[in-house]
Amino acid sequence: GENVEQHPSTLSVQEGDSAVIKCTYSDSASNYFPWYKQELGKRPQLIIDIRSNVGEKKDQRIAVTLNKTAKHFSLHITETQPEDSAVYFCAAPPYSGGGADGLTFGKGTHLIIQP
Amino acid sequence: EPEVTQTPSHQVTQMGQEVILRCVPISNHLYFYWYRQILGQKVEFLVSFYNNEISEKSEIFDDQFSVERPDGSNFTLKIRSTKLEDSAMYFCASSGQGKYGYTFGSGTRLTVV
Repeated sequence: GENVEQHPSTLSVQEGDSAVIKCTYSDSASNYFPWYKQELGKRPQLIIDIRSNVGEKKDQRIAVTLNKTAKHFSLHITETQPEDSAVYFCAAPPYSGGGADGLTFGKGTHLIIQP
Repeated sequence: EPEVTQTPSHQVTQMGQEVILRCVPISNHLYFYWYRQILGQKVEFLVSFYNNEISEKSEIFDDQFSVERPDGSNFTLKIRSTKLEDSAMYFCASSGQGKYGYTFGSGTRLTVV
């Protein structure tokens, strides 16, 4: 099955600086890579995703990059704000060829924005 | 914005008892999922459901677990004989045409005592 590794487990940055979280995956057939943000006690919320036919995707202060050769993808948050403080999870699906694929999640990165 | 609704928000049960966790997915969605998250840990896939049958399940989803879509709107997870280690937050999710574009419900916190 798919194996997703996520680093770092904790990331502390000054408000206004950039944050980068990295993930690697094992299944070379995986074709979809989402990032979720989870605030304390709340549900995971999709913040950005990328498909394997694209190398980079940006949405305002958030961007995701994908390197299929190296099997890694990264989340970039620029101009960080206090409300960015949360746990961020990357995920990837195993390729099953149809139906509803489950996602394998990374262990999460606790992002702390220092004022 | 449409939501995935889960009930109850918190369930406390005695070890060995059966529990049913309920979910109402977004009405025009086609793919349904259950995930769990043990406190402080990552989100783990349990099972996916499409076209009225289980599409995929993880090794966590053993014989004590079952899922049903009894009436075209509800999607339930049954745990037959709960164990202490089943204590976790259980999230339901659904997605539409793009099968990975999940919307998660707000979760049911299950506490087994």
